[in-house]
Amino acid sequence: DTGVSQDPRHKITKRGQNVTFRCDPISEHNRLYWYRQTLGQGPEFLTYFQNEAQLEKSRLLSDRFSAERPKGSFSTLEIQRTEQGDSAMYLCASSLDGSYEQYFGPGTRLTVT
Amino acid sequence: DQQVKQNSPSLSVQEGRISILNCDYTNSMFDYFLWYKKYPAEGPTFLISISSIKDKNEDGRFTVFLNKSAKHLSLHIVPSQPGDSAVYFCAASAREYAGNMLTFGGGTRLMVKP
Repeated sequence: DTGVSQDPRHKITKRGQNVTFRCDPISEHNRLYWYRQTLGQGPEFLTYFQNEAQLEKSRLLSDRFSAERPKGSFSTLEIQRTEQGDSAMYLCASSLDGSYEQYFGPGTRLTVT
Repeated sequence: DQQVKQNSPSLSVQEGRISILNCDYTNSMFDYFLWYKKYPAEGPTFLISISSIKDKNEDGRFTVFLNKSAKHLSLHIVPSQPGDSAVYFCAASAREYAGNMLTFGGGTRLMVKP
């Protein structure tokens, strides 16, 4: 299967802890995106990478959030000092340069207790 | 403010009939529109798209119509099948947006009854 993969699929953590999620995009895709989806809403854009460069960040991405794509392949999204409001599905997507179509992974569901 | 809206949270249709899902947008910069389908516990799956230079795009049972003057698009599924039961998201993007980031509507849950 050469689709977008995400790990872990589920994460339960206590408030104040740090969490890190991983995304492996489709191998030939040089663009990688992170979105967040809360219950009953559509996905909301968080940030985007062109190869290893992080080129855009949403205002939703507070300073507790950091994303990296060190070698232009996989990406990590870290949330420090988690809050209950961070509970959501975190989706990763990838696309070819210049294409509008983005292909999503299965998501990581984060629950902060 | 919501730039992409799907005003019907749910839709129920009989198998074999047509399903029509609607989407409205407010941002005139949007020049590309996509529909995604989402099953529980899975990520959204790309279904069909349309550029603003067209008013219709068809792929098998799925057709998307775009009315730019009304800032409205719709997805038609004919004939509807029970396997089409899912949440459908409308999304929009613009060439000027960094990385062609997508702005999504809130989704419409489609239930196709056998």
